[in-house]
Amino acid sequence: EVKLLESGGGLVPPGGSLRLTCAASGFMFSNYGLSWVRQAPGKGLEWVSTFAGHGGSAHYADSVRGRFTISRDNSKNTLYLQMDNLRAEDTAIYFCAKERAAADPYFDYWGQGTLVTVSS
Amino acid sequence: EIVLTQSPDFQSVTPKEKVTITCRASQSIGSNLHWYQQKPDQSPKLLIKYASQSISGVPSRFSGSRSGTDFTLTINSLEAEDAATYYCHQSSSLPWTFGQGTKVEIK
Repeated sequence: EVKLLESGGGLVPPGGSLRLTCAASGFMFSNYGLSWVRQAPGKGLEWVSTFAGHGGSAHYADSVRGRFTISRDNSKNTLYLQMDNLRAEDTAIYFCAKERAAADPYFDYWGQGTLVTVSS
Repeated sequence: EIVLTQSPDFQSVTPKEKVTITCRASQSIGSNLHWYQQKPDQSPKLLIKYASQSISGVPSRFSGSRSGTDFTLTINSLEAEDAATYYCHQSSSLPWTFGQGTKVEIK
């Protein structure tokens, strides 16, 4: 059974930093791309970042490029999102989502999300 | 960036009615369009992949179609459990983008 469990959310002041973690199980972690997708309170879904599987590269939305860094530790089946210089508009639930395959980049599994609140 | 525009934003529907949600892409994306359902306080769930391909475990009343850059999600004979917000998502080119969502309420 595929499971994705996010953690690390919380309250942080503007300009602060936070690291999110997504612990995965139930599939061959290194083979799959994983993404972070966020949802501001009462709003829609916004793709944030993707780290491709099979030693592939990272990609970012313009809204976070240069402030957020995605990484993965295949030995620990874990995905990370380092968020620096946080802004109020980064307040959202952050979901970890698994891509079906490199050639099929839709999201077949999602975690339950972790809430990040940026406020003084 | 490819913009996806959904219509309507909100729909209030009686059980057993048919629901149609449209997603229009700002440029050609082939059939690289997927649909998700998100119920309140839950994470999204994949409903349809590649415009019209069904997903194992998803009720057969959910179907999708494509006409050029216009995509349609149809819910035949709506059930009370279908109350949710529905999103389209394109995987044709980065950045991946989502439609703004369509909230379906049960009358």
